Amino acid sequence: DTAVSQTPKYLVTQMGNDKSIKCEQNLGHDTMYWYKQDSKKFLKIMFSYNNKELIINETVPNRFSPKSPDKAHLNLHINSLELGDSAVYFCASSPGTGSHQPQHFGDGTRLSIL
Amino acid sequence: SQQGEEDPQALSIQEGENATMNCSYKTSINNLQWYRQNSGRGLVHLILIRSNEREKHSGRLRVTLDTSKKSSSLLITASRAADTASYFCATGPSSNDYKLSFGAGTTVTVRA
Repeated sequence: DTAVSQTPKYLVTQMGNDKSIKCEQNLGHDTMYWYKQDSKKFLKIMFSYNNKELIINETVPNRFSPKSPDKAHLNLHINSLELGDSAVYFCASSPGTGSHQPQHFGDGTRLSIL
Repeated sequence: SQQGEEDPQALSIQEGENATMNCSYKTSINNLQWYRQNSGRGLVHLILIRSNEREKHSGRLRVTLDTSKKSSSLLITASRAADTASYFCATGPSSNDYKLSFGAGTTVTVRA
């Protein structure tokens, strides 16, 4: 009965590879997010979708491409992985848009680039 | 850029003591939220305070907001070992109501 689930939990790969992270929420929420948490625990928004429409697209390299096939799923594809991409990536969801909405987070995907 | 900044970065207290942490932010906000993150887990929403509110309580949590000083505090009373976690404030800026801006958190260790 996990609310927001991400796969995989751990991802270890070589520089230059392409990888995807998947996220699914069963809360019936309309809005989903991707965040990046660095080694100092600073959490930064990357993207947000509301009902499959992109509403937040922060300044991230265009090697990162989100895809939302339906409002319950938000995937993140990363091309040509670099050492600096090593981080924990969190998916989150909220009932709707608006910063007052409480966000529900998955347990993260720990990406390590060798 | 980073909006909220928590202080202190780390806090170690004895079980039963109170823990207080602060959050300062730079621009005007519509609301402020506090989240908890246990080691290896995602963030969990604790409490929301709106810009027209000064104080809110939830169980052992007390949050204050001073918009004139652009600061908020989170007090955890009668701490327990299970309160060991990182605590983050997240601000909803007035300029962009779609997103939350998080700080780097305060790491709280409760010693038994």
